[in-house]
Amino acid sequence: GAVVSQHPSRVICKSGTSVKIECRSLDFQATTMFWYRQFPKQSLMLMATSNEGSKATYEQGVEKDKFLINHASLTLSTLTVTSAHPEDSSFYICSARGQITIGNQPQHFGDGTRLSIL
Amino acid sequence: GENVEQHPSTLSVQEGDSAVIKCTYSDSASNYFPWYKQELGKRPQLIIDIRSNVGEKKDQRIAVTLNKTAKHFSLHITETQPEDSAVYFCAAIASGGSYIPTFGRGTSLIVHP
Repeated sequence: GAVVSQHPSRVICKSGTSVKIECRSLDFQATTMFWYRQFPKQSLMLMATSNEGSKATYEQGVEKDKFLINHASLTLSTLTVTSAHPEDSSFYICSARGQITIGNQPQHFGDGTRLSIL
Repeated sequence: GENVEQHPSTLSVQEGDSAVIKCTYSDSASNYFPWYKQELGKRPQLIIDIRSNVGEKKDQRIAVTLNKTAKHFSLHITETQPEDSAVYFCAAIASGGSYIPTFGRGTSLIVHP
């Protein structure tokens, strides 16, 4: 159980292109989804937290107009990198978590998307 | 906010040895502590977790200990195998808020055959 599917796994595109990444929870309802960025040999950097049906909460320093997040349903969240530039090249990972009832619950991660902007 | 420190950043052991990774946290409201294993280019996978009402939890070769007073928790891997080689992340999460996890910087574990 608790499977999170992330697509695409790899994107290579030209500078100025907008890229959409999808994150789906396949067998549970994800009340909350997280989007992370990970640089080589570094930890997970939280970009934003999204709750179904409401606007995403962005971490300090993350441009909300650059990284558009939509969480329209309990099983799908999307991250769109608008007008991507080479400095946006990175490994983006989503994670999903079900509703908090008693105590905390672990997050379940997608496979990640390797984004390369030429 | 919460601050999680993780040590060491790199850990090299011989196959069969034990490995210990330590994390400290700052927010006394944190009450849930998961550990993730991430192999190169793959997703982080939950390997074990512990809640603040428990001092120790074990799952086969993996164990986690928690000292709430000192605000530190540790991952113990016994009888290490080459397939244990990966980056391990600890995290701390506090209830009563948005339950946003704070991750440690990660430990690269290398198990030499």
